[in-house]
Amino acid sequence: QTVVTQEPSFSVSPGGTVTLTCGLSSGSVSTGYFPSWYQQTPGQAPRTLIYSTNTRSSGVPDRFSGSILGNKAALTITGAQADDESNYYCVLYMDNGIWMFGGGTKLTVL
Amino acid sequence: QVQLVESGGGVVQPGGSLRLSCAASGFTFTTYGMHWVRQAPGKGLEWVAFIRYGGRDKYYADSVKGRFTISRDNFKNTLYLQMNILRAEDTAVYYCAKVSHFYFDSWGQGTLVTVSS
Repeated sequence: QTVVTQEPSFSVSPGGTVTLTCGLSSGSVSTGYFPSWYQQTPGQAPRTLIYSTNTRSSGVPDRFSGSILGNKAALTITGAQADDESNYYCVLYMDNGIWMFGGGTKLTVL
Repeated sequence: QVQLVESGGGVVQPGGSLRLSCAASGFTFTTYGMHWVRQAPGKGLEWVAFIRYGGRDKYYADSVKGRFTISRDNFKNTLYLQMNILRAEDTAVYYCAKVSHFYFDSWGQGTLVTVSS
């Protein structure tokens, strides 16, 4: 059973840059998985940040960017702010109508 | 403006059934696929099911296959999730989400389902 992997937690200093990754337990993530990224704070619905690897959703600041780094999808936050402290989830389209979420990364800004 | 409003959550005993609804507005419902995604208390997001815009093609996570049924009424602009043989591990907030270009582009606020005796 393939699993989508994410770092359980990460921390970044205010103003710093952090890269979160999204991989597969077996195989490499490519653009063909249409990786997307979502931000969620406790008690709130998810917010769409990035889709199709590197396209920002409407209204998302340009300090959020997506890419493929090596064999993983990546979300980079440049100039982290206090309100970026959230949980971040990646999703991969696994083909044939099936999607899979990663376990999420809890980002702390301190 | 896209709006998705879930309803139908509540407390149900193990082995019981529940039907969730998601009322959609602000977009042409008949031309978009729709998802259900859930989140157990304190846990991450889990994709549950997807239905294509026409309603004929449906896909499920292994954890719910054979117990849950996704459907839609394109006349009422409403998405459904029929949940049968519910288990404690189905306890979660259930979100509906609109699909676009292989991603979830809009989300509802969720409805809580609690499976407990």
